[in-house]
Amino acid sequence: GAVVSQHPSRVICKSGTSVKIECRSLDFQATTMFWYRQFPKQSLMLMATSNEGSKATYEQGVEKDKFLINHASLTLSTLTVTSAHPEDSSFYICSARPHIYTEAFFGQGTRLTVV
Amino acid sequence: KQEVTQIPAALSVPEGENLVLNCSFTDSAIYNLQWFRQDPGKGLTSLLLIQSSQREQTSGRLNASLDKSSGRSTLYIAASQPGDSATYLCAGTNFGNEKLTFGTGTRLTIIP
Repeated sequence: GAVVSQHPSRVICKSGTSVKIECRSLDFQATTMFWYRQFPKQSLMLMATSNEGSKATYEQGVEKDKFLINHASLTLSTLTVTSAHPEDSSFYICSARPHIYTEAFFGQGTRLTVV
Repeated sequence: KQEVTQIPAALSVPEGENLVLNCSFTDSAIYNLQWFRQDPGKGLTSLLLIQSSQREQTSGRLNASLDKSSGRSTLYIAASQPGDSATYLCAGTNFGNEKLTFGTGTRLTIIP
């Protein structure tokens, strides 16, 4: 099946710094990618929809200035957690589909720990 | 607004048994439904996608069904193995909306 690659898989950063997470679709182009956050033992919470060539659409309650999303090409979306704080520590996962209504593929996830 | 529920939240069965995982959704306008598994600390692995025009899909020991009229999908796992232990998530897509609405997940443990 199609592959979505996410990097890094784990990152530890100091409070106040910024962290960038990359999501790549390796064998298909994706005009839309999705970013999720997952808390321990809970399901996925959609944070934002990343749109190639335009601004991301954020879900209610998600701070767009805290979680910067850039979708500069048809195969790459990035999520930058700015001025990270310990409460931003979480598991972040991206997703993409070759076409609307087709199978969705997920990255391996990124475990962010802010100390 | 589509809401997706999975019951039970956790399930333990002996190795070799057949089992069924349940997924319920509130909006019958669901366009397709996808089943995933998630291993601890990992991303999601796609298992099966059932399109709107289909009623079921099969892959190996897995069979998923979709009944839009009753608002239910089931994932049947035959001859369960310890390697099947994981959290299983279902997610639906409504027509006109690219977003996936996820269920709450079922944590499955297969006892050797």
